[in-house]
Amino acid sequence: KAGVTQTPRYLIKTRGQQVTLSCSPISGHRSVSWYQQTPGQGLQFLFEYFSETQRNKGNFPGRFSGRQFSNSRSEMNVSTLELGDSALYLCASSSSRVADTQYFGPGTRLTVL
Amino acid sequence: GDSVTQMEGPVTLSEEAFLTINCTYTATGYPSLFWYVQYPGEGLQLLLKATKADDKGSNKGFEATYRKETTSFHLEKGSVQVSDSAVYFCALENSGGSNYKLTFGKGTLLTVNP
Repeated sequence: KAGVTQTPRYLIKTRGQQVTLSCSPISGHRSVSWYQQTPGQGLQFLFEYFSETQRNKGNFPGRFSGRQFSNSRSEMNVSTLELGDSALYLCASSSSRVADTQYFGPGTRLTVL
Repeated sequence: GDSVTQMEGPVTLSEEAFLTINCTYTATGYPSLFWYVQYPGEGLQLLLKATKADDKGSNKGFEATYRKETTSFHLEKGSVQVSDSAVYFCALENSGGSNYKLTFGKGTLLTVNP
């Protein structure tokens, strides 16, 4: 079974631009979560989607948004990029039952210049 | 809100040494507890989990026991190998209102020398 895939793996943008990251979950998984990983703040939850609906959201500004498609693939968008948005963005998928294992992708490394 | 506190590293050990990484949590309700491992340049992999008090999770020689009375989930391994060098994260998922969200500790970098 293929794992969680994320594209692109690396991205360089400049301040003020916007960016879209993509995540394809494990086949059959309907829940997709996004996390931001930085050296200073560690791993922080962004949001979680199930069946195209956002079920939970972390404490991030409205510049961070996401969506999920009917095939469970998910995208997250960051508008008006700031230097502090430089991070590893991790996507995880699960079958959505509470305490079920979340399987993580390799991440997208975003650098904002 | 929910939080996880784990011992900060880095931790440096010699091969075959005993490993303990402490993890304590604060949460309402009845959280499930996890240990994830991150190897350089990769995403997170689940190492083990426990979903209720007194459960012991184990995998690849690693163990952790869910202690509700001390709100702890310490990770242990009897004999570490060079290949265990990685960053280890303790995490919780709380069924009491923040479902579908993992709350992580800051991570502990483990380096094992031959």
